[in-house]
Amino acid sequence: DAGITQSPRHKVTETGTPVTLRCHQTENHRYMYWYRQDPGHGLRLIHYSYGVKDTDKGEVSDGYSVSRSKTEDFLLTLESATSSQTSVYFCATTQVSGNTEAFFGQGTRLTVV
Amino acid sequence: AQSVTQLDSQVPVFEEAPVELRCNYSSSVSVYLFWYVQYPNQGLQLLLKYLSGSTLVKGINGFEAEFNKSQTSFHLRKPSVHISDTAEYFCAVSERRDDKIIFGKGTRLHILP
Repeated sequence: DAGITQSPRHKVTETGTPVTLRCHQTENHRYMYWYRQDPGHGLRLIHYSYGVKDTDKGEVSDGYSVSRSKTEDFLLTLESATSSQTSVYFCATTQVSGNTEAFFGQGTRLTVV
Repeated sequence: AQSVTQLDSQVPVFEEAPVELRCNYSSSVSVYLFWYVQYPNQGLQLLLKYLSGSTLVKGINGFEAEFNKSQTSFHLRKPSVHISDTAEYFCAVSERRDDKIIFGKGTRLHILP
């Protein structure tokens, strides 16, 4: 299995607070992705990265920012959490763009109260 | 931009019966297509992929899918399901020369005894 670790695995936070989720990979994959999974919506792409300091927006990027200062780490930040951001967040990596297998982390369950 | 439609949110099927999970995509360019499976409380893992060549693709656990360009479909099939196939299945598409991987809303497969 690809070494993809998400932290924390569970978090409860209050509305209006900043939250950062971390994705760490040991596979030296170039591409990294953040998705959120919600019932009835499947997985929706938030942001992705195609290299160190190279990121782009996905389908549902409003309210989220990302950073990638090292190949192995991809951070997702909710600047001011809202209840609508309660979700399960998944990180994924691919070795070469979108035409190869994506490897997923175990997910982070975030609850905003 | 590419998009994916999974036509059934839930599919009940009796054990040892055949099953087909439907997926249609929309794109103006050539695409790569994938099916992923998610078992309860886990991340996603790849079942199979179509990149090019033969339109019939075989994957793990006895699943197969057929790429139909004229109908823009990539339906997943298994001739005989087992209780262990209970999971949620996601179809995904990635356009050539693009880095994004877009997922459908998922289909829950319920195996009836």
